[in-house]
Amino acid sequence: GEDVEQSLFLSVREGDSSVINCTYTDSSSTYLYWYKQEPGAGLQLLTYIFSNMDMKQDQRLTVLLNKKDKHLSLRIADTQTGDSAIYFCAERDYNNNDMRFGAGTRLTVKP
Amino acid sequence: SQTIHQWPATLVQPVGSPLSLECTVEGTSNPNLYWYRQAAGRGLQLLFYSVGIGQISSEVPQNLSASRPQDRQFILSSKKLLLSDSGFYLCAWTRTGSRSPLHFGNGTRLTVT
Repeated sequence: GEDVEQSLFLSVREGDSSVINCTYTDSSSTYLYWYKQEPGAGLQLLTYIFSNMDMKQDQRLTVLLNKKDKHLSLRIADTQTGDSAIYFCAERDYNNNDMRFGAGTRLTVKP
Repeated sequence: SQTIHQWPATLVQPVGSPLSLECTVEGTSNPNLYWYRQAAGRGLQLLFYSVGIGQISSEVPQNLSASRPQDRQFILSSKKLLLSDSGFYLCAWTRTGSRSPLHFGNGTRLTVT
């Protein structure tokens, strides 16, 4: 099957920007998503981007998509301690009922 | 607005006992429904999904089964739990068709002792 890959850990200081990276291999993926999971909770949809877009910004979140390299990133500006969580990248093909998830990046924000 | 309810939040069961986890969705009709398992706070493994009442697709053969007795109800079951069934189980839904993202419940932490 196709893989979605993410680095497992990221540590930043409060107030800095965080950049979480993701690569995917299915060129037919049409929708790409970022989810946030806080301890003991379900996954919360943060944002998503269609494959015909290069960038999407939503308040402190910026998603960049490089379709040629199959690379997706999530930038969190002015990172706060409340942003500490696991962030999942996911992709979906228009024809599939399933979404493929990365293993998640654990973001730790230090005061 | 749509909401998804999943219960119980935590469950401790002995090996060999049965299991029933329930998930319901409100505010929408004919959703696609999913059961995922997450081990050790990490990646998600799709267990089952359903596109309609009585229609269940199994992604991974194992000790679990799923049923969809009503349009917005999805149940995960086991007749005899194994230690390896311990994990965090997540129910999710999406609208029919592939343009919408998955929306997740709050999960059930299952510990098999």
